[in-house]
Amino acid sequence: AQSVAQPEDQVNVAEGNPLTVKCTYSVSGNPYLFWYVQYPNRGLQFLLKYITGDNLVKGSYGFEAEFNKSQTSFHLKKPSALVSDSALYFCAVLYSGGYQKVTFGTGTKLQVIP
Amino acid sequence: DGGITQSPKYLFRKEGQNVTLSCEQNLNHDAMYWYRQDPGQGLRLIYYSQIVNDFQKGDIAEGYSVSREKKESFPLTVTSAQKNPTAFYLCASSITGRSEAFFGQGTRLTVV
Repeated sequence: AQSVAQPEDQVNVAEGNPLTVKCTYSVSGNPYLFWYVQYPNRGLQFLLKYITGDNLVKGSYGFEAEFNKSQTSFHLKKPSALVSDSALYFCAVLYSGGYQKVTFGTGTKLQVIP
Repeated sequence: DGGITQSPKYLFRKEGQNVTLSCEQNLNHDAMYWYRQDPGQGLRLIYYSQIVNDFQKGDIAEGYSVSREKKESFPLTVTSAQKNPTAFYLCASSITGRSEAFFGQGTRLTVV
């Protein structure tokens, strides 16, 4: 079984400040991890993924995420938040073996305050 | 432009009716997925397909049906057996089941 948790329903950050959106996962074996962003009434857009290799992954729009195996976490980060980053963010996990079925978190709403 | 297209964007259904949501992709992806999104619950997998003429139930398949007769098309039928169909439905595709997914813009279904 696999699962992913996003412990914060909402994160508020001031424009220009660094932001972190948290994600922890549970999976048997090696995980594939993804971050997506969703703007209102739209589909999800892929931001970045971790499969193997360097624990720090860089993605679209200046976002990055750090894979921490010991803490089973994959937190999304950005050094300087923009108002346009305000959206709903989803973490997703996939067990790298077996039949592929992605599990999504419940989402975290990011509000960047001007 | 390559992409994944869902239609219609908004759909209204009377109770007891079946409705079909369209999903087409021209990305040449093998895998396709249908998700349901409800407020505060994230995305829940309805059905997925890894290849043509094959599909698997996801976590909430009851009351839904799909077909995968062509690589580029994966329509979802919401049947009258689905007791609470009002939701935002998202279709997605990926190169393989292990790749990142590309999503359509969604269909918002409302039962009236």
